[in-house]
Amino acid sequence: GQNIDQPTEMTATEGAIVQINCTYQTSGFNGLFWYQQHAGEAPTFLSYNVLDGLEEKGRFSSFLSRSKGYSYLLLKELQMKDSASYLCAVMDSNYQLIWGAGTKLIIKP
Amino acid sequence: IAGITQAPTSQILAAGRRMTLRCTQDMRHNAMYWYRQDLGLGLRLIHYSNTAGTTGKGEVPDGYSVSRANTDDFPLTLASAVPSQTSVYFCASSPDRGPGELFFGEGSRLTVL
Repeated sequence: GQNIDQPTEMTATEGAIVQINCTYQTSGFNGLFWYQQHAGEAPTFLSYNVLDGLEEKGRFSSFLSRSKGYSYLLLKELQMKDSASYLCAVMDSNYQLIWGAGTKLIIKP
Repeated sequence: IAGITQAPTSQILAAGRRMTLRCTQDMRHNAMYWYRQDLGLGLRLIHYSNTAGTTGKGEVPDGYSVSRANTDDFPLTLASAVPSQTSVYFCASSPDRGPGELFFGEGSRLTVL
């Protein structure tokens, strides 16, 4: 079966760095996405990786290793507004998105 | 403001009732989707539409139906609601089906008693 695993919850301190991991097993691979979802709101797109390596976008970076079925989202200089759930999703060979349950990130002052 | 509009935002209804969740987008996207989000689970695809006039079944289609009469509208209907359909429903769209960013509506919180 297809599966996406990510930690349920993480806690970090304002100003610090946090890495949220995602491992996947899917039927085919057409890219990996990260979305941010604040409580009670809609998910919003953060990043897309289809080739191995690191993609940097401001304070957020996303890494992909296709051979290991592994990705991480790196958040630097954490701010209180980064408190949210972070959703990992993989697009399979049928162009269907398989979603992880999300990682709730709690930022403490 | 361009985007996706869902209605209603929240609804409580009795089991057995018929309910339609509305979704409208003004971005002229070809592909549209309906997801449900439940605590502890990832988003699950209910139905999708690659383009106006076509629809397809997702991971959890039972008990739901959709139509795509035009590019902008993609309503989701629960013919006879059951308590297990209590969830938050998100409509989303993308320029085309395939790799690319999904744009989500604000969600519709549905409670079936």
